[in-house]
Amino acid sequence: DAGVIQSPRHEVTEMGQEVTLRCKPISGHNSLFWYRQTMMRGLELLIYFNNNVPIDDSGMPEDRFSAKMPNASFSTLKIQPSEPRDSAVYFCASRSGRGDEQFFGPGTRLTVL
Amino acid sequence: AQSVTQLGSHVSVSEGALVLLRCNYSSSVPPYLFWYVQYPNQGLQLLLKYTSAATLVKGINGFEAEFKKSETSFHLTKPSAHMRDAAEYFCAVSTTADKLIFGTGTRLQVFP
Repeated sequence: DAGVIQSPRHEVTEMGQEVTLRCKPISGHNSLFWYRQTMMRGLELLIYFNNNVPIDDSGMPEDRFSAKMPNASFSTLKIQPSEPRDSAVYFCASRSGRGDEQFFGPGTRLTVL
Repeated sequence: AQSVTQLGSHVSVSEGALVLLRCNYSSSVPPYLFWYVQYPNQGLQLLLKYTSAATLVKGINGFEAEFKKSETSFHLTKPSAHMRDAAEYFCAVSTTADKLIFGTGTRLQVFP
């Protein structure tokens, strides 16, 4: 298996622009997680899905952030409009069952100028 | 509520020396506990996990961790450090709400 796939790996954009991050989980996994990592705040869970349904979005910082999972093999995290404080590495992870390990993607490094 | 505390944001050891990274947890229910490693510019990779089967858990790359309920600890050890072990290490606890709560991480440096 190719593992969790994220795209793009790097994104540089200007403040106010829309940013869309993409994730393909491992086939057969039924849970998907979006995290944000910064020096100041460490690893933060933004939102997670079970069977394509959002279960907990309490970590989503503002209404500017939204996430979707239209099917079992694809998820997006959208920031509109983006701000410089959104600069971070965004990770996607997937898991096959409760209590199992989460498999992380390589991350998307977002820089908002 | 579950939480994780990692003592020491930076640990430095010489190559061949013992590695000890500390993790204490708080959980109202029997926890699942994990150690992840993050190499520069990469995602997190599972080192090992505790799921109540055995208190001493062996992981990849020669690492192991011991679950001590009386001390609410899950410290990570490796008898002999190697240069390639230099990375950031995260302890995590799985919550009743089915999420992972991560510690703040410990950066391990290994000197020749």
